Amino acid sequence: RKEVEQDPGPFNVPEGATVAFNCTYSNSASQSFFWYRQDCRKEPKLLMSVYSSGNEDGRFTAQLNRASQYISLLIRDSKLSDSATYLCVVNWGGTASKLTFGTGTRLQVTL
Amino acid sequence: EPEVTQTPSHQVTQMGQEVILRCVPISNHLYFYWYRQILGQKVEFLVSFYNNEISEKSEIFDDQFSVERPDGSNFTLKIRSTKLEDSAMYFCASSVSQEKSSYEQYFGPGTRLTVT
Repeated sequence: RKEVEQDPGPFNVPEGATVAFNCTYSNSASQSFFWYRQDCRKEPKLLMSVYSSGNEDGRFTAQLNRASQYISLLIRDSKLSDSATYLCVVNWGGTASKLTFGTGTRLQVTL
Repeated sequence: EPEVTQTPSHQVTQMGQEVILRCVPISNHLYFYWYRQILGQKVEFLVSFYNNEISEKSEIFDDQFSVERPDGSNFTLKIRSTKLEDSAMYFCASSVSQEKSSYEQYFGPGTRLTVT
């Protein structure tokens, strides 16, 4: 079983749409969860950390369900500039240990 | 805003040659990492470094790889004898600011290594 699993997409949505990405992880001892964004041939950029209580940053909302080992990212009012690959990332070793990445979900926002 | 920087942005080398990839982590960070991403694949962890020693490494990080913090600002990854399959994007990352108690990892722009 893959450690961090994501639907690779692509998700093609019109500008202004709401889109949701899901991610499952295999290790129940996982401690920290993140969504990163990666543009083509660029570095992963931290989008947001994901907390048990759920958290929101502007148009972005992240949710964590530890019981189901499931993380989600919701993007409201999609912009053309949101087009990128969204990486689900998990840390299960301790506060500063390695990150384990999913393969990413590609989002293409169109006019 | 402080950033992780990496040099060179692109390195082309012949199989069997040694390469050194360089990184300058964010200045008040304590943990440093190398990851790699083969084209079309996911980002993979190589090694983490704390307090001047390796704290964790993956199966990929074999005897051909080494890391060093030669001074107070640089963090390097050396590949002793490159293979074709070492061709990838190599990302440096840093984390853990004592002041902010933040464990989020921030990535540099990467070095694209091409082994011919």
